[in-house]
Amino acid sequence: AQSVSQHNHHVILSEAASLELGCNYSYGGTVNLFWYVQYPGQHLQLLLKYFSGDPLVKGIKGFEAEFIKSKFSFNLRKPSVQWSDTAEYFCAVRLFSGGYNKLIFGAGTRLAVHP
Amino acid sequence: DTAVSQTPKYLVTQMGNDKSIKCEQNLGHDTMYWYKQDSKKFLKIMFSYNNKELIINETVPNRFSPKSPDKAHLNLHINSLELGDSAVYFCASDAGQFSEQYFGPGTRLTVT
Repeated sequence: AQSVSQHNHHVILSEAASLELGCNYSYGGTVNLFWYVQYPGQHLQLLLKYFSGDPLVKGIKGFEAEFIKSKFSFNLRKPSVQWSDTAEYFCAVRLFSGGYNKLIFGAGTRLAVHP
Repeated sequence: DTAVSQTPKYLVTQMGNDKSIKCEQNLGHDTMYWYKQDSKKFLKIMFSYNNKELIINETVPNRFSPKSPDKAHLNLHINSLELGDSAVYFCASDAGQFSEQYFGPGTRLTVT
């Protein structure tokens, strides 16, 4: 069955530390890849997306992600986190199957950044 | 200029009641979705509609009935509410392949 795995459920960092959140998916066909962020009490907002082309994509607020096709991975990175990055981060994969597509989300990673 | 809006934002009701959540998007998208986010923040797709037609029904109990009067609206009606229905329900829309999904602000449903 298709699935999306986020390895870190809860990450605690100090400000200025570097961040890497892992995301792997299990699906051999065409995919679109996304990272969404959900700040406390708010809706999901898109951080970045990958459809095709350069596997290193840059998003908002200094985030970037790298698509490694051979590893079915799409890890999120930020060189220096800020307190305002405290949020829940979701990796999502759009699968194309049977003439339609659907978005499957990982379980999320809760990031807490301490000043 | 809200892109995807939902009403109500909060909904508290008792078991056995029937309730509806409304969703509207002003992005001109053809496809709309309902997701359920449980207490552990796990997001799961429930339904997808494309141009008012049901595309995806992810084995949701038939107490949940989505209705799309036009492609800008996708409402969710829930009959005979159960405790396990307590969650945050998000509406979303997109323009199809190679487009991102835009999410509404969510409706926090609490069933007592």
